[in-house]
Amino acid sequence: QKEVEQNSGPLSVPEGAIASLNCTYSDRVSQSFFWYRQYSGKSPELIMSIYSNGDKEDGRFTAQLNKASQYVSLLIRDSQPSDSATYLCAVYQTGNQFYFGTGTSLTVIP
Amino acid sequence: SQTIHQWPATLVQPVGSPLSLECTVEGTSNPNLYWYRQAAGRGLQLLFYSVGIGQISSEVPQNLSASRPQDRQFILSSKKLLLSDSGFYLCAWNQGWGGGYTFGSGTRLTVV
Repeated sequence: QKEVEQNSGPLSVPEGAIASLNCTYSDRVSQSFFWYRQYSGKSPELIMSIYSNGDKEDGRFTAQLNKASQYVSLLIRDSQPSDSATYLCAVYQTGNQFYFGTGTSLTVIP
Repeated sequence: SQTIHQWPATLVQPVGSPLSLECTVEGTSNPNLYWYRQAAGRGLQLLFYSVGIGQISSEVPQNLSASRPQDRQFILSSKKLLLSDSGFYLCAWNQGWGGGYTFGSGTRLTVV
């Protein structure tokens, strides 16, 4: 079983819609959770971090964490074509164990 | 503010040639430093990490080595490249455990 799992997609949403990206992790002792955006040919860019259960909002982005279900999600409201990218979920566990999912490809259709 | 520099951006090397990729971080001290590789269409693979000068941990056996000669400098090397070493190499740093990484701009290596 992989430490972090994401649907590879591709996920397509129309411009202006809400894009919902999901991630599950296997280890209950995971402490910190991150979402990265990676444009084609570029390096990943940290866009959200979340450390406790609940929602965290930053502009059009909302990260949701449910530790009981071992589930973290990223919602992108009012999706724009510039949001088209691969989104990587990352999980940190004690002992410098940092795991990345393989990413979900998102396409926002104008 | 902190910045991370990685070079070169693109590299084409013949099989059997040596490799040296360099990464430096500015605006912070004693960062944790990491080298990742991302093969085409695949996820990130941690290669090495370092918590201090001269301290290198290797995550997977491979044809590569890493060194940290200065606090904010991290070097990835190989004596003889293999075709399978092709990929997108990313340097990253964070400050302390649990913090998110900041990645460099990456080096796309093609071994021919």
